Amino acid sequence: EAGVVQSPRYKIIEKKQPVAFWCNPISGHNTLYWYLQNLGQGPELLIRYENEEAVDDSQLPKDRFSAERLKGVDSTLKIQPAELGDSAVYLCASSLGSNNEQFFGPGTRLTVL
Amino acid sequence: GEDVEQSLFLSVREGDSSVINCTYTDSSSTYLYWYKQEPGAGLQLLTYIFSNMDMKQDQRLTVLLNKKDKHLSLRIADTQTGDSAIYFCAESIGSNYQLIWGAGTKLIIKP
Repeated sequence: EAGVVQSPRYKIIEKKQPVAFWCNPISGHNTLYWYLQNLGQGPELLIRYENEEAVDDSQLPKDRFSAERLKGVDSTLKIQPAELGDSAVYLCASSLGSNNEQFFGPGTRLTVL
Repeated sequence: GEDVEQSLFLSVREGDSSVINCTYTDSSSTYLYWYKQEPGAGLQLLTYIFSNMDMKQDQRLTVLLNKKDKHLSLRIADTQTGDSAIYFCAESIGSNYQLIWGAGTKLIIKP
């Protein structure tokens, strides 16, 4: 069974440019998470989806970050415009439900120059 | 607010036992988790313990939970080079099972 798929694995952009990350969760997983992980730190939740509904986006900086999961399957996280401080690893995870084990993708490492 | 703390590094000799410690502040946590992260890879769930348990054993892994002291530990018996990774402690809290993460402990294996 395929795990959580993320692309791209690496992205280097200049500040003020837009960037988008894609995640395909494990088939049948209703809950999808986007996390941000800075070096030497644990993941920080950005947004959690139950099917196509964003049920927790309280930590998402909505001035520049947006996310969508239109059909309740794959999801896209966008940053526009990117800032130097956005350099981090963006992790996607999925689970059957909110109280189930989260399975993580390999992440997208973003470098903003 | 909620907080989970871990030591940043642990160095052990190959074949010895590793004990990684974690403290947390929220006494209402339901589950406590240990995740492993290898370089360039995503987080992998190693094991978890329900908050009403005090011990769980799974092959080389032993999890101990001291709920009174809000202390969680992960013991890895017969540590191997393949155990080199960063180990994250996390607790799930609230009705939506939000995960609160520690900063991770880097396990270094000496030959």
